[in-house]
Amino acid sequence: DSGVTQTPKHLITATGQRVTLRCSPRSGDLSVYWYQQSLDQGLQFLIQYYNGEERAKGNILERFSAQQFPDLHSELNLSSLELGDSALYFCASSVGLGADTQYFGPGTRLTVL
Amino acid sequence: GESVGLHLPTLSVQEGDNSIINCAYSNSASDYFIWYKQESGKGPQFIIDIRSNMDKRQGQRVTVLLNKTVKHLSLQIAATQPGDSAVYFCAENMNYGGSQGNLIFGKGTKLSVKP
Repeated sequence: DSGVTQTPKHLITATGQRVTLRCSPRSGDLSVYWYQQSLDQGLQFLIQYYNGEERAKGNILERFSAQQFPDLHSELNLSSLELGDSALYFCASSVGLGADTQYFGPGTRLTVL
Repeated sequence: GESVGLHLPTLSVQEGDNSIINCAYSNSASDYFIWYKQESGKGPQFIIDIRSNMDKRQGQRVTVLLNKTVKHLSLQIAATQPGDSAVYFCAENMNYGGSQGNLIFGKGTKLSVKP
C-alpha cells in the first residue's frame, strides 16, 4: 500500500458526460501528479499540483481540468467524454516540488461507452 | 500489469536466475531516474531510483546502473522470484531546476518468471 488513495476504482459512463476522479496523497506529501495510462500511449503525465498551485502541465486536453484543495486532496475533472478517453488514471504524490520519489495510487479505470 | 502498447518487450527468465531489464532514456538533460513495477490491476510501485551524479545504486535484490554517455539505464534483479513477474517501467525527470517533478515513462518491459 503506497498510502495514496483514489476513488472510484471503476467508472463507466457515456460519451459526452462529465466525471470527477478523486485522489488523496500520502500524509506529508505536497505534490500531486495525474497520469493517464492507455494501451496505445503508455503512461503519460497530465498535470502536477504543489501545495494548491498548478506547477506543470503535460499532455492534458482542454476538456480536462484539475485542482488541489487546501487539505491537499486533488480532483481531476474530465468533461465531454469521448471513447478515446477510456483509460486508467493514476494519481501520484511526492514530498517536494521537483524530482523526487513519486508514489502511485491504485488508479481509476474509466470506461466510456 | 497493464499491457502498454501492442508490442511490449518481454523477458522470460527461470526462477532463481538474475534478470536484467534495459531502458534507453530520451533526454540528456534528465537527471533523475526511477524504476517502477506494475502488477496486473495495480498502480506502479516504486522499486529504486538514481540521480545523475551516480552510476550505480543498490537496493534489496535490485541494482540500477546508469550510463549517461549512451543514455542507458538498466535494472538488475538478483535471484528472480515468481512474485517479480510484472511490467517494469523506467521513468526520467528532466532537470527543471527543482521547479517541477513530472516523469516521462518508457514503454515498459514485461518480466515473466518460470517456476
